[in-house]
Amino acid sequence: NAGVMQNPRHLVRRRGQEARLRCSPMKGHSHVYWYRQLPEEGLKFMVYLQKENIIDESGMPKERFSAEFPKEGPSILRIQQVVRGDSAAYFCASSPPSGYGYTFGSGTRLTVV
Amino acid sequence: DQQVKQNSPSLSVQEGRISILNCDYTNSMFDYFLWYKKYPAEGPTFLISISSIKDKNEDGRFTVFLNKSAKHLSLHIVPSQPGDSAVYFCAATYETGANNLFFGTGTRLTVIP
Repeated sequence: NAGVMQNPRHLVRRRGQEARLRCSPMKGHSHVYWYRQLPEEGLKFMVYLQKENIIDESGMPKERFSAEFPKEGPSILRIQQVVRGDSAAYFCASSPPSGYGYTFGSGTRLTVV
Repeated sequence: DQQVKQNSPSLSVQEGRISILNCDYTNSMFDYFLWYKKYPAEGPTFLISISSIKDKNEDGRFTVFLNKSAKHLSLHIVPSQPGDSAVYFCAATYETGANNLFFGTGTRLTVIP
């Protein structure tokens, strides 16, 4: 029973490029959450999704960031026109409908050069 | 606005002794609290949780204490082992309602053999 799978593990982008981060939830989990960890900080909630539905995006920056969780396939966190300040570790978590049993993936470390 | 605070960025403890990690929160609506452990280059791993209807929860070497009036919780690890060396994050959420977690900034625990 594979855990939460995130890819790529490491992603390097030049300023102005687009970054796409993928997350496949655990089997049986229908809820996906994205968190960002900036250097020397804790994890900050970004967005909570169910299949084809954004439930809470209160932590998402207003511009350049978007997330989706399509009916088929992984959840995608998309960052357009990346800037140096986007460099961080991005973690995805999934849970069953109860919301308990959060399980985190190993994260994607984004570096913007 | 940091609603969950871990004021000690680091802690060193001798093997076999007790490790006490502290966490404070400001939002009185939080009613469910969790501790996560994180190794470098990995995602956070759930350790132990406590609901606001309890003041103590124990699981093996790990015990979490909750003082609601002080809005304070602590994680006790007894006895501490070198493999416990990691960053520990405190998190809080609402048991009913939103499922996003609010994280502290973490405490790096080093257990000295």
